Amino acid sequence: DAGVIQSPRHEVTEMGQEVTLRCKPISGHNSLFWYRQTMMRGLELLIYFNNNVPIDDSGMPEDRFSAKMPNASFSTLKIQPSEPRDSAVYFCASRETPGAQPQHFGDGTRLSIL
Amino acid sequence: AQTVTQSQPEMSVQEAETVTLSCTYDTSESNYYLFWYKQPPSRQMILVIRQEAYKQQNATENRFSVNFQKAAKSFSLKISDSQLGDTAMYFCAFMKLPIFGNEKLTFGTGTRLTIIP
Repeated sequence: DAGVIQSPRHEVTEMGQEVTLRCKPISGHNSLFWYRQTMMRGLELLIYFNNNVPIDDSGMPEDRFSAKMPNASFSTLKIQPSEPRDSAVYFCASRETPGAQPQHFGDGTRLSIL
Repeated sequence: AQTVTQSQPEMSVQEAETVTLSCTYDTSESNYYLFWYKQPPSRQMILVIRQEAYKQQNATENRFSVNFQKAAKSFSLKISDSQLGDTAMYFCAFMKLPIFGNEKLTFGTGTRLTIIP
């Protein structure tokens, strides 16, 4: 089975540019999560969706960040305008509900804002 | 709010030895789930093992086992016969009973484990 697929794997862009990260969850998983990982703050949950509906976006840092899930097989995380402090690894994870199913993670996108 | 504490930032052990990584957590919930994830240098996040709090039996997955002490709120990971491929960052994570709106994982800060040849 294909796992969670994220693209791009690496992204380098200049400050002020728009950045779009993409995620395809595992087929049949109805919860999707976006995380950010930095040395200083560790793993932080940014937002999560259940059945394509945002459930908790309390971790989204500010209005420059937005996330969408237009259908069950695709989600985007957008940063506009990007800033150097947004540099991090961004992970997408998905999970099958209900029950004790774990979250399965993609390989992450390493984002560098110059 | 739940908190997860991993008090060992770094550990190292000789290949083939046994190592135990510690994790404690704080919660007022009675039913919940605990996980260990491994993050090798390739940066993937890989599920190692999971434990359901209502089960008294400690979970085991091949060389990986846990010592779950619910009263003490402790969830340590034991790696037996350690291998070079076990070198990674290990994260302990907590999840409440995953009813609607409750699926968040709370992660510890991680333990960097190095297996020495």
